[in-house]
Amino acid sequence: NAGVMQNPRHLVRRRGQEARLRCSPMKGHSHVYWYRQLPEEGLKFMVYLQKENIIDESGMPKERFSAEFPKEGPSILRIQQVVRGDSAAYFCASSPSQQMGQPQHFGDGTRLSIL
Amino acid sequence: DQQVKQNSPSLSVQEGRISILNCDYTNSMFDYFLWYKKYPAEGPTFLISISSIKDKNEDGRFTVFLNKSAKHLSLHIVPSQPGDSAVYFCAASEANNLFFGTGTRLTVIP
Repeated sequence: NAGVMQNPRHLVRRRGQEARLRCSPMKGHSHVYWYRQLPEEGLKFMVYLQKENIIDESGMPKERFSAEFPKEGPSILRIQQVVRGDSAAYFCASSPSQQMGQPQHFGDGTRLSIL
Repeated sequence: DQQVKQNSPSLSVQEGRISILNCDYTNSMFDYFLWYKKYPAEGPTFLISISSIKDKNEDGRFTVFLNKSAKHLSLHIVPSQPGDSAVYFCAASEANNLFFGTGTRLTVIP
């Protein structure tokens, strides 16, 4: 499967725990984006990363959320001390370049549920 | 502030007829517009895009029209097929960030 791979597909956490969401981009893609979708809403941009660099994190909450895309391995979206409002579907997308109009290719998402 | 709006949450169309999905935006700096299709429990799948310097782009049964003066774009699907039933998201690009609408659920009735 050469698509964007996200795991886990479903993640259940209790309030105050940490959530780690993983994303492996498509082969040959070095640009990764994270989006969050709340129920009945569209996807909201969170963060844009290239290998080892955060390019734009303007959509990321200032506290408890962090993202990385190390030189080796998947991109990780980390949510510390989760709260009920963090329950959402988190989608990762990748693209091969920053060329204008280059479509982003999405994974199937991680559905995070906070008890 | 919602910069991309899809005002119709749902649309039902008979098989074989045309489906027209609409999208409005507020930011004149958007440089590309894209349509994605999404099935339940899956990620969005890219369908078709259009540059802000064009007014039409066609790919098989799918055509996107852009009216910059009205800040409006539409996706036409003809003929519609039952397999087209899904949620369609309009997205606009600025500096490689995508801004999504809230989606329109299309149901194609056999």
